[in-house]
Amino acid sequence: DTAVSQTPKYLVTQMGNDKSIKCEQNLGHDTMYWYKQDSKKFLKIMFSYNNKELIINETVPNRFSPKSPDKAHLNLHINSLELGDSAVYFCASSQRGGAYEQYFGPGTRLTVT
Amino acid sequence: AQTVTQSQPEMSVQEAETVTLSCTYDTSENNYYLFWYKQPPSRQMILVIRQEAYKQQNATENRFSVNFQKAAKSFSLKISDSQLGDTAMYFCAFISHGGSQGNLIFGKGTKLSVKP
Repeated sequence: DTAVSQTPKYLVTQMGNDKSIKCEQNLGHDTMYWYKQDSKKFLKIMFSYNNKELIINETVPNRFSPKSPDKAHLNLHINSLELGDSAVYFCASSQRGGAYEQYFGPGTRLTVT
Repeated sequence: AQTVTQSQPEMSVQEAETVTLSCTYDTSENNYYLFWYKQPPSRQMILVIRQEAYKQQNATENRFSVNFQKAAKSFSLKISDSQLGDTAMYFCAFISHGGSQGNLIFGKGTKLSVKP
């Protein structure tokens, strides 16, 4: 069984479109995260949710909106996509927030044309 | 603010030999955790090893071990008996025990190539 899964794995879309990436974890973890990995492989946290409540919101444009229907799911919705949004987006989860190791999904490569 | 620095963008090693990847970090906190993650060409992020700052003993996981020097804020990863499957990007990461919940801070990575 896959611990942290993301769909889709690849997403190609045009500027201005709205798209969503879904994430699910079956580890029973309380906290989920979204990270962005840029073209230089640099990973940076975007959002964190603990029991369906947002606990981190780094300086991310408000075109990005995370939604957590329950503690096993954390989706990322992106409005009005821009070329600079092209990146790999990783979902992760941990037992709870703080210093617990995070388990990552396979990533979603988003390409905006 | 905490920072993580990996000074070696790329490294290579011959199969079966040993290689050490460097990582330094900056923090004013006393309680924190450090991790090494591996990202092979498949893109999957895989946890290699973790170290709690309060533990003096260096963590080991099979062929992977760390040299944790708390005073020097250094956390290097040693890979023994390198295998072709070790070819990957390696990321050093820091997380505070307190402070921002779950704010895992990554270095910029070291691309390791294992040559046959």
